Amino acid sequence: ETGVTQTPRHLVMGMTNKKSLKCEQHLGHNAMYWYKQSAKKPLELMFVYNFKEQTENNSVPSRFSPECPNSSHLFLHLHTLQPEDSALYLCASRGDFGGSSIQYFGAGTRLSVL
Amino acid sequence: GESVGLHLPTLSVQEGDNSIINCAYSNSASDYFIWYKQESGKGPQFIIDIRSNMDKRQGQRVTVLLNKTVKHLSLQIAATQPGDSAVYFCAEKIETSGSRLTFGEGTQLTVNP
Repeated sequence: ETGVTQTPRHLVMGMTNKKSLKCEQHLGHNAMYWYKQSAKKPLELMFVYNFKEQTENNSVPSRFSPECPNSSHLFLHLHTLQPEDSALYLCASRGDFGGSSIQYFGAGTRLSVL
Repeated sequence: GESVGLHLPTLSVQEGDNSIINCAYSNSASDYFIWYKQESGKGPQFIIDIRSNMDKRQGQRVTVLLNKTVKHLSLQIAATQPGDSAVYFCAEKIETSGSRLTFGEGTQLTVNP
């Protein structure tokens, strides 16, 4: 495996529900990312965290709320989602060893909003 | 605007043949490129990378070629196997963008036995 674990793997929620996605990396990396992957579209960057600090919010609607309590854990809190938010949500991490830009991905959470 | 894209959405090859997957990019300030493989039900997996000061880089059964003149990147897979069936996509990093990667749409590679 990649060393990046995402839970749950699948999630079905109604538009009024509140749920959270979890990501944990065991690679000792300093940066963590949330991406949205929709069918037939490139990966869309949502949020970036470096050393627990949010460094990028790619104009994501406020119904998505990230949280990074430490460099190993990343959460994505969801509330009042829309059906068009149904997608695969991917977490990635990156180390800063030698200026590496390689991002390592988890298996993703397949989200369905009803 | 800047974009990273692939010429073909699907590629079908026979087992044992060589595969070539292409990627075009438009930002001449891109200084680093990565190829990822994504199998069904899994996240993207790093395959190989190349810096803009190189033209070619080889890995195990894979070779990446970079042509900066025409802003073209390709992934060559030798002796393609059924386990190579997946979506392949390239990503670029622009020199001034920090660690941000811009991803292409992906090519579905199908290997026929």
